[in-house]
Amino acid sequence: QVQLVESGGGVVQAGRSLRLSCEASGFSFTTYGMHWVRQAPGKGLEWVAGLWFDGSNKIYADSVKGRFAISRDNSEDTLYLQMTRLRAEDTALYYCARDRFESYGGGFDYWGQGTLVTVSS
Amino acid sequence: DIVMTQSPLSLPVTPGEPASISCRSSQSLLQSNGYNYLDWYLQKPGQSPQLLIYLGSSRASGVPAKFSGSGSGTDFTLKISRVEAEDVGIYFCMQALQTPFAFGPGTKVDIK
Repeated sequence: QVQLVESGGGVVQAGRSLRLSCEASGFSFTTYGMHWVRQAPGKGLEWVAGLWFDGSNKIYADSVKGRFAISRDNSEDTLYLQMTRLRAEDTALYYCARDRFESYGGGFDYWGQGTLVTVSS
Repeated sequence: DIVMTQSPLSLPVTPGEPASISCRSSQSLLQSNGYNYLDWYLQKPGQSPQLLIYLGSSRASGVPAKFSGSGSGTDFTLKISRVEAEDVGIYFCMQALQTPFAFGPGTKVDIK
């Protein structure tokens, strides 16, 4: 069965960096676009970043552009989110999600359980 | 950027009765290929979101037929034909036509 397992969250001081990982299993990771979506405590969903099946065409929300970098290692079936210059407003539960398409636009049909990032000021 | 709105933001429902949620986008989500790049998600309490509807009206795998999506351009609707207790949670629409992708604020559905 399809599984997405995030890790790497924790408490970090504002201005520091953190790298999140999402390990995929149960499907052919190399043929799907992938995304990161976050949810601040008690708030709605915010799309953060995405990339194509081959790691190309990376896209970002304005709120993280220039600070976060999405990448993937298709040999390890793993998605990453490198977060730098963290701010208090980046505090959220971070989900990785699979796109139904190899690119974008197909809907996010599988989600992980999320990893919590808390940025202290 | 495309802005998404939903109404109502809170929807108390009676089991067995139908329910309807509206989603509007600030720009048309209809692409030249004829598809509307609008998805619907349900986040049940304490769970990760799950995909209900993609491309405006296609039900995701395993989603019961009581859920249906309709609309085109800037106006979309999610309908639940007969609400059950297991349908409570927050429903979000999301546009995937152009970046940055954007979710609506969510509609909280609970039982009266």
